[in-house]
Amino acid sequence: SQTIHQWPATLVQPVGSPLSLECTVEGTSNPNLYWYRQAAGRGLQLLFYSVGIGQISSEVPQNLSASRPQDRQFILSSKKLLLSDSGFYLCAWTREGYGYTFGSGTRLTVV
Amino acid sequence: DAKTTQPTSMDCAEGRAANLPCNHSTISGNEYVYWYRQIHSQGPQYIIHGLKNNETNEMASLIITEDRKSSTLILPHATLRDTAVYYCIVRVATGYSTLTFGKGTMLLVSP
Repeated sequence: SQTIHQWPATLVQPVGSPLSLECTVEGTSNPNLYWYRQAAGRGLQLLFYSVGIGQISSEVPQNLSASRPQDRQFILSSKKLLLSDSGFYLCAWTREGYGYTFGSGTRLTVV
Repeated sequence: DAKTTQPTSMDCAEGRAANLPCNHSTISGNEYVYWYRQIHSQGPQYIIHGLKNNETNEMASLIITEDRKSSTLILPHATLRDTAVYYCIVRVATGYSTLTFGKGTMLLVSP
């Protein structure tokens, strides 16, 4: 069966510090991978998606970047965090014939 | 993806059926109706999806009007654990279209 792992579960980082969130998928190959963010009291916003290794599409220009170094690994990064980067970050995967499956999320607080 | 309209919030008594409406008047012929829910501080969970026929699974039933301009998600016997935000989304099922979340309906199930 397919599983998606996301870590860490919670993170508190100072303004100006770097960020690296990792997401990995098991039990499938060539998945589409997604990063979503949910700010406090708001809906889910698509940040990045990837249809293959090294292929990243950005939905919203901002202080964040994404990379896909391996088929089932998706990384969300920032060189310098802003207060506005605080939120609940969710990784998801899908592929032909499958629905979206979300990870358990990372709650990031920038202080 | 076509846009959807859902009520902001709904209440339901435990053990009763919860009927969550969704309007999608601009849905295209190749777009499916998907329902997800998000329990507080968790990732969204897939519930059900359909094209034009009514669908039922172990979680819920989906009723789609004949003109496909609206649908209703039915939780036949709501429990306290069904308290969540419910998202109605329309998207093309094939290919790699992204999942665009609206504000959803906050369903509160009370004892």
